[in-house]
Amino acid sequence: KQEVTQIPAALSVPEGENLVLNCSFTDSAIYNLQWFRQDPGKGLTSLLLIQSSQREQTSGRLNASLDKSSGRSTLYIAASQPGDSATYLCAVRWGNKLVFGAGTILRVKS
Amino acid sequence: GAGVSQTPSNKVTEKGKYVELRCDPISGHTALYWYRQSLGQGPEFLIYFQGTGAADDSGLPNDRFFAVRPEGSVSTLKIQRTERGDSAVYLCASSAAGLRDEQFFGPGTRLTVL
Repeated sequence: KQEVTQIPAALSVPEGENLVLNCSFTDSAIYNLQWFRQDPGKGLTSLLLIQSSQREQTSGRLNASLDKSSGRSTLYIAASQPGDSATYLCAVRWGNKLVFGAGTILRVKS
Repeated sequence: GAGVSQTPSNKVTEKGKYVELRCDPISGHTALYWYRQSLGQGPEFLIYFQGTGAADDSGLPNDRFFAVRPEGSVSTLKIQRTERGDSAVYLCASSAAGLRDEQFFGPGTRLTVL
């Protein structure tokens, strides 16, 4: 069964810290992997998309890596800010569908 | 518009009623997806359209759920004989065309079945 797991479920850090969110998946035959941000009561905002042939993608303070063989991805957030507080979702594309993890709830304290 | 839009933003209905949820994808996007998100969980795939046809409806939970996209743009998700367990946020996404394209999500419709 194709599943996505995110660890930790929740994370609280002081402002300015660098942090890593983890995502693991069960089947390495993926098309791509996408990281999203979701604010309370809102839809999903796409942060980064990594194709299966790529190892990493960067956007501003965000860097996402992909290791297909081990079934893992990490989202690195540098110099965290209170505005980064949200739920971060990892989603893997297998065939026609995205399969999501349950998310990591991030709180950055000022 | 610039992004994916969904209407209504909130829908409250009574058990047994019929509801329709609408999605307007990003202009020019040929692929459209519906997902359902329950509290504290990630979205779950329902159905995928490529153009006017449903290319994959394997995520629809039962035959009370149906979706159409008659002109290859706007899509409507239809739920018959609603049940309390249908309460969730229904999200729509679109992408340019292929399976490797980035998906962009709308704000969702929060459905509450009393």
